[in-house]
Amino acid sequence: QVQLQQSGAELAKPGSSVKISCKASGYTFTSYYISWIKQTTGQGLEYIGYINTGSGGTNYNEKFKGKATLTVDKSSSTAFMQLSSLTPDDSAVYYCARDYYVMDAWGQGASVTVSS
Amino acid sequence: DIQMTQSPASLSASLGETVSIECLASEDIYNNLAWYQQKPGKSPQLLIYYASSLQDGVPSRFSGSGSGTQYSLKINSLESEDAATYFCLQDSEYPRTFGGGTKLELK
Repeated sequence: QVQLQQSGAELAKPGSSVKISCKASGYTFTSYYISWIKQTTGQGLEYIGYINTGSGGTNYNEKFKGKATLTVDKSSSTAFMQLSSLTPDDSAVYYCARDYYVMDAWGQGASVTVSS
Repeated sequence: DIQMTQSPASLSASLGETVSIECLASEDIYNNLAWYQQKPGKSPQLLIYYASSLQDGVPSRFSGSGSGTQYSLKINSLESEDAATYFCLQDSEYPRTFGGGTKLELK
């Protein structure tokens, strides 16, 4: 069955970076984009952007340009999101989702906590 | 960006009842509207896509309707497992935007 397995929780210091992975299985990886979503209690759900897993092309929400960098490794069916220059506002659960006009399968989420 | 206004923010209902949740888009989203269910500590699960299409495996007591800027999710004959937070998502244009969520509590 379709699965998106994300990396584990991260505790990071302000100003540092983290890289979250999302390993896909159960379907043809390059037939779907991978989207990324941020969830916080205060702001709810925010769409970060997507990566075309075939070409590596990306589309970012303006709000997350310069914050998030999306990449992909087709050989391992894994998508990555790097978050840079972390601040406490980046503390959240981050999800990846399989995307072909609709996000129909989501990873289990990766918690990022930014604290000194 | 398209703004999605979801109501109510919370809802309390009894087993067997029928409830509706609404989403209002700031502009026409041409039925490009999905509904998700999320339980605490879990990832969102797709219920409805393209406003009214039921995702495979989702019980038929869930239904979606609407057009233009107004959309709704209806849950018939509530069951205990339906206690969750529901939210809408517009995928008409990027960036995709979400409703604020509706927390459904079962009495």
